[in-house]
Amino acid sequence: KNQVEQSPQSLIILEGKNCTLQCNYTVSPFSNLRWYKQDTGRGPVSLTIMTFSENTKSNGRYTATLDADTKQSSLHITASQLSDSASYICVVLPLSSASKIIFGSGTRLSIRP
Amino acid sequence: DVKVTQSSRYLVKRTGEKVFLECVQDMDHENMFWYRQDPGLGLRLIYFSYDVKMKEKGDIPEGYSVSREKKERFSLILESASTNQTSMYLCASIPGTEAYEQYFGPGTRLTVT
Repeated sequence: KNQVEQSPQSLIILEGKNCTLQCNYTVSPFSNLRWYKQDTGRGPVSLTIMTFSENTKSNGRYTATLDADTKQSSLHITASQLSDSASYICVVLPLSSASKIIFGSGTRLSIRP
Repeated sequence: DVKVTQSSRYLVKRTGEKVFLECVQDMDHENMFWYRQDPGLGLRLIYFSYDVKMKEKGDIPEGYSVSREKKERFSLILESASTNQTSMYLCASIPGTEAYEQYFGPGTRLTVT
């Protein structure tokens, strides 16, 4: 069973609309949870990093939340732009080892004009 | 800015060929990683190196080997390429043992025919 599950698998929204991507994880304890944005054909780029004690972190129009009780994180994108079209990957770093970083399979977001 | 570069963006090789993928980072990071990324599977760790000449197998090391002769350079080797190794290969690095953020290279899209 994948320890980091993301939903939805893909999402299409109109430019200017908001959306929320979900990440459920079972990894525990963990050092930090990150959201990455990956443009097609590119490497992932970090959007937010939260430790287990933080419950929200913003980066411009991106806001990540973390609920350690329910083991859920979400990434909220406000006023979407065409450049937001990308895959968004949730990543959890266990406390034990950097080599055991666990990646979700990503949500493919498409913004339509 | 941290920079992680990979030797090729696109590569086409024949079955049975030996393939070298190179990754270079310019921020003196101790830890370097090779992942492959396939649709629906997310990033899977092939090998991890925590120091020069030191390496650790990841989740899918079969068919791959690695070399780290210098701190800034981490090479992935496909001894005899096969079609099921067609994939996107991503290199990443992180500083020290406080793995707060991974920095990714742009990726190499390898096609084995």
